[in-house]
Amino acid sequence: KAGVTQTPRYLIKTRGQQVTLSCSPISGHRSVSWYQQTPGQGLQFLFEYFSETQRNKGNFPGRFSGRQFSNSRSEMNVSTLELGDSALYLCASSLGGTSVQYFGAGTRLSVL
Amino acid sequence: KNEVEQSPQNLTAQEGEFITINCSYSVGISALHWLQQHPGGGIVSLFMLSSGKKKHGRLIATINIQEKHSSLHITASHPRDSAVYICAVRSGGFGNEKLTFGTGTRLTIIP
Repeated sequence: KAGVTQTPRYLIKTRGQQVTLSCSPISGHRSVSWYQQTPGQGLQFLFEYFSETQRNKGNFPGRFSGRQFSNSRSEMNVSTLELGDSALYLCASSLGGTSVQYFGAGTRLSVL
Repeated sequence: KNEVEQSPQNLTAQEGEFITINCSYSVGISALHWLQQHPGGGIVSLFMLSSGKKKHGRLIATINIQEKHSSLHITASHPRDSAVYICAVRSGGFGNEKLTFGTGTRLTIIP
């Protein structure tokens, strides 16, 4: 069974640009969550999608958005990039609820 | 005060030692996760607990809901156990659920 796949693995952008990250969950998983990891703040919850609906959202500005498609694949978008958005972005999929989450390898975003 | 506190922040031990990592939280939770993160960023989910105790190989996780405390134990530690161990709690009601992470415990096992 294939694991959670995130693309791209690495990304370099400049301030003011926008970026879209992709996450393909494990087959059969309908829940996808996104997290940001930085050296200063550690891991923080961004948002969770289940069956194409955003169920929960963390404390991030509106520049951070996401969506989930009917095949459960999810995308995360960050607009008007800031230097502080440089981070490892992780997605995790699960069956939903309090099920175990399976993490992807992450996308490392550098904003210059 | 953080909602999730881990101790110790750093732990160095000799191969074969018994390891304990602690996690305390201050909110009501529906589940607690223990995660392992190796250099390079990959995260592996070790356990998901809502009560009692779970064991997988040399790893044991326990949770005390009344005391809002969980421990992760590693028996017969090995250098390949060297990683950052992260505790995360799931809290909130429907539509307001979130996963809050501890700052992690960096474990180094010396051969």
